[in-house]
Amino acid sequence: GAVVSQHPSRVICKSGTSVKIECRSLDFQATTMFWYRQFPKQSLMLMATSNEGSKATYEQGVEKDKFLINHASLTLSTLTVTSAHPEDSSFYICSARGTTLNTEAFFGQGTRLTVV
Amino acid sequence: RKEVEQDPGPFNVPEGATVAFNCTYSNSASQSFFWYRQDCRKEPKLLMSVYSSGNEDGRFTAQLNRASQYISLLIRDSKLSDSATYLCVVNPPAGNKLTFGGGTRVLVKP
Repeated sequence: GAVVSQHPSRVICKSGTSVKIECRSLDFQATTMFWYRQFPKQSLMLMATSNEGSKATYEQGVEKDKFLINHASLTLSTLTVTSAHPEDSSFYICSARGTTLNTEAFFGQGTRLTVV
Repeated sequence: RKEVEQDPGPFNVPEGATVAFNCTYSNSASQSFFWYRQDCRKEPKLLMSVYSSGNEDGRFTAQLNRASQYISLLIRDSKLSDSATYLCVVNPPAGNKLTFGGGTRVLVKP
């Protein structure tokens, strides 16, 4: 199956700093990628839809100035958590789907962010 | 009503037994359906797509009931390694986003 690579898998940062997470589709082109956040024992919550060459679409309640998304190419999307706070500590996962309708999504390995 | 609802469980299953659980969805025009498996602190991985005719993959059987708007997953001859959270995922009719259920936790015990 298709492979989506996410990096880093784990990061610890200080409050107030920014963290960038990369998501790459390795063997297919993804015009759209999705960023999720998952708190312990909860399901995935969609944060935003990343569109290649255009602005991301954010879900209600997600601050676009805090969670910066860039989708500069068909194989790379980045999520930058700016001015991180301890409450931003979570598991962040990206996913991508191919261009064919109704296909499954493939997920990156996830990034566990801890803000201290 | 949530778009996609699942019984959170946990379902405590003796090894070798059969377990089944459902997932209901609210949008009758939803296009496609999937079951994903998520292990603790890992990313979700596709278990199987759910076709209108139902489908089977080894010990796993998925079915879609459009009239009652639910999909089901049945696991036969449960293995210890089947312990995980099973996520129901629905593709609504508009757009490319997937909607996730809250997950059903399954614990297979010796």
